[in-house]
Amino acid sequence: DIQMTQSPSSLSASVGDRVTITCRASQSISSYLNWYQQKPGKAPKLLIYAASSLQSGVPSRFSGSGSGTDFTLTISSLQPEDFATYYCQQSYSTRTFGPGTKVDIK
Amino acid sequence: EVQLVESGGGLVQPGGSLRLSCAASGFTVSSNYMSWVRQAPGKGLEWVSVIYSGGSTYYADSVKGRFTISRDNSKNTLYLQMNSLRAEDTAVYYCARQRVVPTHYFDYWGQGTLVTVSS
Repeated sequence: DIQMTQSPSSLSASVGDRVTITCRASQSISSYLNWYQQKPGKAPKLLIYAASSLQSGVPSRFSGSGSGTDFTLTISSLQPEDFATYYCQQSYSTRTFGPGTKVDIK
Repeated sequence: EVQLVESGGGLVQPGGSLRLSCAASGFTVSSNYMSWVRQAPGKGLEWVSVIYSGGSTYYADSVKGRFTISRDNSKNTLYLQMNSLRAEDTAVYYCARQRVVPTHYFDYWGQGTLVTVSS
């Protein structure tokens, strides 16, 4: 199975900050990488698919990049509603998720 | 509007069975790939099972032989039959629509239903 890691596991940031989260796959997954946001008690929400495609309705401050084994999710200017946990997920083979990155208020 | 509503969760003893349902609206379940994803309390997300539009089914190793995914086209509903339940199956179970172009990703999720396996 392909293993996914994320860094950092948590971070504290302020409104307006630029935030970058990294996801790494244990083998090359081309661009088969998706990003989700989850708030407490809620279902995950799709943000980015195919590494860099923004899901309809998602604010443009979210962006994704990368291919192969290394990927990043960037929030250009953190907003109050962005405090949440973010998961990457590979779809190259049996779907696996990263362990998550919790973004909280500094 | 696409909507997924899960039901059927609850408290069950180890070794017991439970059937989860996921009622869909706004799209046709049988024309899509549909998955179950679970999340143990305080933990991350784990893919459980998928049923393809053609009817093929696949399972995570952790549930293979114990869980069965199915659908009822007339009711536009997805199911997960869970047998021989273990404490480690305790989780919130989400159903999700799985898109396949240009890659596979989960674009709509239900609100989740909690399954607790405990004596």
